[in-house]
Amino acid sequence: GAVVSQHPSRVICKSGTSVKIECRSLDFQATTMFWYRQFPKQSLMLMATSNEGSKATYEQGVEKDKFLINHASLTLSTLTVTSAHPEDSSFYICSARDQREPYEQYFGPGTRLTVT
Amino acid sequence: GQNIDQPTEMTATEGAIVQINCTYQTSGFNGLFWYQQHAGEAPTFLSYNVLDGLEEKGRFSSFLSRSKGYSYLLLKELQMKDSASYLCAQEDSNYQLIWGAGTKLIIKP
Repeated sequence: GAVVSQHPSRVICKSGTSVKIECRSLDFQATTMFWYRQFPKQSLMLMATSNEGSKATYEQGVEKDKFLINHASLTLSTLTVTSAHPEDSSFYICSARDQREPYEQYFGPGTRLTVT
Repeated sequence: GQNIDQPTEMTATEGAIVQINCTYQTSGFNGLFWYQQHAGEAPTFLSYNVLDGLEEKGRFSSFLSRSKGYSYLLLKELQMKDSASYLCAQEDSNYQLIWGAGTKLIIKP
C-alpha cells in the first residue's frame, strides 16, 4: 500500500524555538495534504489543508502565522511550529491524498512534539 | 456543522463479536471511513464505504446506509490486540474528513 512518512517522529524543543515537521508521500503524488493535531484522549483535529503550489487553508482558530505550512512539491509538505510554547505540545499527524482515483488518503506515522 | 456520533467506549470479550455504530449528517456526503488507532500511534485505514451495503475484509466488516446516515464496523473473533480506538470519519464533497470522537474498544479475556 501507499506510504507516507513523517520526520521527525519525536522532537523535544525549548519554548520560543521553532520546529519543522516534514510529511512525504513516498510512492504516490499528492496534490493535497492535511495536517492534524491530536491531544491525549481526543479525536483528530484538522488544522489546515495544504495544496501543492498554493497557500494552505487553515481551520478556524488555527493561527496561520504560528503554524506555517509549505507544500512545495507533489510529495512534500512541511509544518513549522514557530515560537513554540508548552501548550503546542501535541501529536501532529499528516495525511496525503493520492491524486489518482479513488483519491484515498494515507496517514503518516505522526510526530510527537514536546515543548519544555 | 457536521456531526459524527459514535459511542465513547465499548467493552467486549475475546473471541466475541462487537458492532460499533456511527451516524452522520447526510448532506455533502462523499464516503465513510473507519480507522483504527492504538494509543500513541497514527490512525490506520480499515475501510471505506461509498455505496450501501456490507463490505467484508477478513475479521472486519463495514456497513453503510446512505439514506439513514448510518454506518457500523463489525469486528469478529475479537483478539486482545483489537483493543484500540475506532474512528468513524465522513468524507465531504471537498474530500475533507470530518471525524467522530472515536470509540474506545476494551477487550477482556
